[in-house]
Amino acid sequence: AQTVTQSQPEMSVQEAETVTLSCTYDTSESDYYLFWYKQPPSRQMILVIRQEAYKQQNATENRFSVNFQKAAKSFSLKISDSQLGDAAMYFCAYSSNYGGSQGNLIFGKGTKLSVKP
Amino acid sequence: GAGVSQTPSNKVTEKGKYVELRCDPISGHTALYWYRQSLGQGPEFLIYFQGTGAADDSGLPNDRFFAVRPEGSVSTLKIQRTERGDSAVYLCASSRRDDYEQYFGPGTRLTVT
Repeated sequence: AQTVTQSQPEMSVQEAETVTLSCTYDTSESDYYLFWYKQPPSRQMILVIRQEAYKQQNATENRFSVNFQKAAKSFSLKISDSQLGDAAMYFCAYSSNYGGSQGNLIFGKGTKLSVKP
Repeated sequence: GAGVSQTPSNKVTEKGKYVELRCDPISGHTALYWYRQSLGQGPEFLIYFQGTGAADDSGLPNDRFFAVRPEGSVSTLKIQRTERGDSAVYLCASSRRDDYEQYFGPGTRLTVT
């Protein structure tokens, strides 16, 4: 079974600085997707960034980028120029690309990010 | 509507009662997912619909939990004989068949007293 581990329960960053959130996963599959989701206090999960395992190039979305190390099964999220609105819970998630499991997301326990003004 | 909606936003029920939680997906999204998020945890997969049929219900914890999507749009998650351990936020998400991006609703917070 696949698992996702986020080893940092809480992180803090100064506004305008850069922070990196860690995520590791375990799988025997070769074709899968990885995601970072943001969950503010409103509870609504918002997709931040997505990475296809077959792509070697790291995904980027404006101030958000990932460091995808397939061999190490590591998928960290870097947030540049942190803003107060980035404060939230961040979840790393895995999705298989095989059979009936396609799309079912497996989440880590999350990292609570605080942004200091 | 513009996004996934879930009703009610909060539900308080007594142990042993029956509850229904509703999810309205984004129009045109054929895939619909239910997740359960306990306090301090990440969401856990419950069930996935592709159209009207449950493509994967391996995450349902026991036979007290059941979900339907009779017309391939709105879905209802049903919980019989609720227990205090069922207290959690129940999240619904939907996606287009050919896109793995899931759009989440705001969730229903269920409290069993």
